[in-house]
Amino acid sequence: QVQLQEAGPGLVKPSQTLSLTCTVSGGSISSGGYYWSWIRQHPGKGLEWIGYIYYSGNTYYNPSHKSRVSISVETSKNQFSLKVRSVTAADTAIYYCARAVGNSWGYFDPWGPGSLVTVSS
Amino acid sequence: EIVMTQSPATLSVSPGERATLSCRASQSVSRDLAWYQHKPGQAPRLLIYGASTRAAGIPTRFSGSGSGTEFTLTISSLQSEDFALYYCQQYNKWPPSLTFGGGTKVEIK
Repeated sequence: QVQLQEAGPGLVKPSQTLSLTCTVSGGSISSGGYYWSWIRQHPGKGLEWIGYIYYSGNTYYNPSHKSRVSISVETSKNQFSLKVRSVTAADTAIYYCARAVGNSWGYFDPWGPGSLVTVSS
Repeated sequence: EIVMTQSPATLSVSPGERATLSCRASQSVSRDLAWYQHKPGQAPRLLIYGASTRAAGIPTRFSGSGSGTEFTLTISSLQSEDFALYYCQQYNKWPPSLTFGGGTKVEIK
């Protein structure tokens, strides 16, 4: 079965770039059929979709994040990545990667366990 | 953006009792609605998609209903492992603009 695991620094300084990688096991991103997603959860708050990418590199982003966010894929490593530029304390959150499924890639299954990123000097 | 509102924020239920969680969309999402269970420190788990279809491996005590703007997740007889946070999420638009509700915490009464 497919499993996802986030990895990246737990602490990022304000104005710097947050970088996270999601490694997929038990299935190949290159097989197609799914979009690969990033979702975050601010402390004590709900979930927020950031965006997702297809193995071909096609991306869709939440319009709220489009200006500072980029998602990329590295099929040779079966990984996809998130970069958030010019971070502030408001980017402190648990970041999840997940596979988007369904006819319109609208919902998520499975998810990774999450990676807490704190923005602080 | 479609805003999803869940109620109540917290639901106190005794084991073995029924739990009914509500989710409302700010505009119609047809049946493009999913539910997730989330326990602290764990990955969220897909329970329901298409408003009422259980995901693989989900017990039959979980059921979803509704369409348009009003949706319900029912847990027919709460087990100890069901005490968790529950989120709804809509996926009605293309290009995608996927949004989640604020969550309902189901706690032991």
